[in-house]
Amino acid sequence: EAQVTQNPRYLITVTGKKLTVTCSQNMNHEYMSWYRQDPGLGLRQIYYSMNVEVTDKGDVPEGYKVSRKEKRNFPLILESPSPNQTSLYFCASSPYLRGLQETQYFGPGTRLLVL
Amino acid sequence: DAKTTQPPSMDCAEGRAANLPCNHSTISGNEYVYWYRQIHSQGPQYIIHGLKNNETNEMASLIITEDRKSSTLILPHATLRDTAVYYCIRAGNEKLTFGTGTRLTIIP
Repeated sequence: EAQVTQNPRYLITVTGKKLTVTCSQNMNHEYMSWYRQDPGLGLRQIYYSMNVEVTDKGDVPEGYKVSRKEKRNFPLILESPSPNQTSLYFCASSPYLRGLQETQYFGPGTRLLVL
Repeated sequence: DAKTTQPPSMDCAEGRAANLPCNHSTISGNEYVYWYRQIHSQGPQYIIHGLKNNETNEMASLIITEDRKSSTLILPHATLRDTAVYYCIRAGNEKLTFGTGTRLTIIP
């Protein structure tokens, strides 16, 4: 089944404790992206990647890192989480054809609470 | 700041057509208009997209004005399961810019 998976789905952590949220897709998509969703603010893009070893900042990259060593995986790293990073996080992937994104497929979300 | 603008909420009676407007006055020539929806806190789900022409699929129709500064998503026969937040998005070659969406409530 074509899908985007994220792990963990729920995470409670404390300020400053490094964490990684994994994202994997099995559709051979070039483009992958991370979003955070907060009440009243909709979805905001954190980082995106147009292919292996190619990553770029979205609208709210501060406090996050990403890597794209393999096409299927795009982990989100919080080196030193802070309470303002408490949010619902979504990973997404899409084909990237003719220089344009195609339809995005979203993962189920990761709910993060930073104490 | 270039972005999309949508009404924060709308109601529609079950069985009627739901028409959701979106303004994207600064859209670039190579940017598509995409519509997604999100039910509760699930991952957003693709509905439809278009560039210049009107589009229709099994879920919805998309009307884009000739100047491309606005569009309307039409759900022809709304059901209770269409209650969700609907996002109008400009998608180009790199970033994907979401607005805050329209919360559509289908009323029995």
